[in-house]
Amino acid sequence: QVQLQQSGPGLVKPSQTLSLTCAISGDSVSSNSAIWNWIRQSPSRGLEWLGRTYYRSKWYNDSAVSVKSRISINPDTSKNQFSLQLISVTPEDTAVYYCARGGAGYNSGRFDPWGQGTLVTVSS
Amino acid sequence: EIVLTQSPGTLSLSPGERATLSCRASQSFSSSTYLAWYQQKPGQAPRLLIYGTFSRAAGIPDRFSGSGSGTDFTLTISRLEPEDFAVYYCQEYDDSPPYSFGQGTKLEI
Repeated sequence: QVQLQQSGPGLVKPSQTLSLTCAISGDSVSSNSAIWNWIRQSPSRGLEWLGRTYYRSKWYNDSAVSVKSRISINPDTSKNQFSLQLISVTPEDTAVYYCARGGAGYNSGRFDPWGQGTLVTVSS
Repeated sequence: EIVLTQSPGTLSLSPGERATLSCRASQSFSSSTYLAWYQQKPGQAPRLLIYGTFSRAAGIPDRFSGSGSGTDFTLTISRLEPEDFAVYYCQEYDDSPPYSFGQGTKLEI
């Protein structure tokens, strides 16, 4: 059974960098049949897919246009986890952030399971 | 990018009743685009209920069913149990992002 455990600070100052980690158990970040995603949820934006990383003989990344210039998603094979970094945050980045597993092929956007969520507040 | 509109915004029903939740897409799905439904309870992450428009995820009771095609999709809960009262989201996906979610339907007692 795949489980995802998130960690990271819940408060970030404006203009600084939001950093979260998602530890994987029951699967591998290097799996050829999984894709590792970050999604956020806020009252103003609803559920918003942010980006993903996955391994298919080499590492690939994709991100949403809305955060493309600010986002970085990186795997850590030594710890079987992946991370999210969002630079230059503003109060509009305040949200609950989730990591989630996607499948292979046409199942890549089918998210199951999800991490427990981390409320990140951007405030001075 | 596909926009998903869910209706109603809030649905008030009682245990034992049948619930019908709607999700309408801004453009017709291609043959390689699919719909998923998620359930979210307060303070919890969304949980996958239905994928590929019709298929139940592992461990999901058979009172949950998905249907639809083109631009109109439905999640039906045949007989509501007390634990079914939650917010439900639809989501479209294919083999490449971005992926869009609906704004949610709150199912309340």
